[in-house]
Amino acid sequence: QVHLLQSGAEVKKPGGSVKISCKTSGYSFSDFYMHWVRLAPGRGLEWVGWINPQIDDARYAPKFQGRVTITRDTSISTAYMEVNGLTSDDTAIYYCARVSGGVELCNRISCYEYDYWGQGTQVTVSS
Amino acid sequence: EVIVTQSPATLSVSPGERAILSCRASQTVNTIFGWYQQKPGQAPRLLIYETSARATGVPARFSGSRSGAEFTLTINDLQSEDFAVYYCQHYKAFGQGTKVEIK
Repeated sequence: QVHLLQSGAEVKKPGGSVKISCKTSGYSFSDFYMHWVRLAPGRGLEWVGWINPQIDDARYAPKFQGRVTITRDTSISTAYMEVNGLTSDDTAIYYCARVSGGVELCNRISCYEYDYWGQGTQVTVSS
Repeated sequence: EVIVTQSPATLSVSPGERAILSCRASQTVNTIFGWYQQKPGQAPRLLIYETSARATGVPARFSGSRSGAEFTLTINDLQSEDFAVYYCQHYKAFGQGTKVEIK
């Protein structure tokens, strides 16, 4: 059974950083891209970026480029997302989400449909 | 950059009736379009992928379709568990969400 378990809620000050983990089980971690999506109050869902765990390649939405880093540790089937330079606008629930297509397919075409999600991590940025 | 416009923001429907949700993409290349359901305190759940294919375990009362640049999610015979927020997605772009509430 596929399961994505994220780390717990965080409260950070403006200008700080946060690193969220997403530990997976029930499938071969390297065989599926992992994406990060956030849900901010009043702003709906927003795509943050993805990682190809097989080759450790990550891409980001332009607004997050240079401020977000997505990494992985294949030995423990875990993906991470770090956000730097936090502002109040980063207050949101952050989700990891597994792409439904396998890495071989998604190496050829863009895949953005998610069949499994983590439970979400609330990040609150407040002074 | 693709922009997805979802409507309406809120839809009031009585149990047993039909709900029709719409999304329009500023540019579409293919049928890669999905719909998600999200309930309070839960992660989104994939309902429809590739415009009209139901994800595993999704009841047949949920259906997706396309007409040109407009994509539609239809929920027939609304059940109590269907009242939630629904999001459409075209690649990395999400719609703003439609809250389906009890009338």
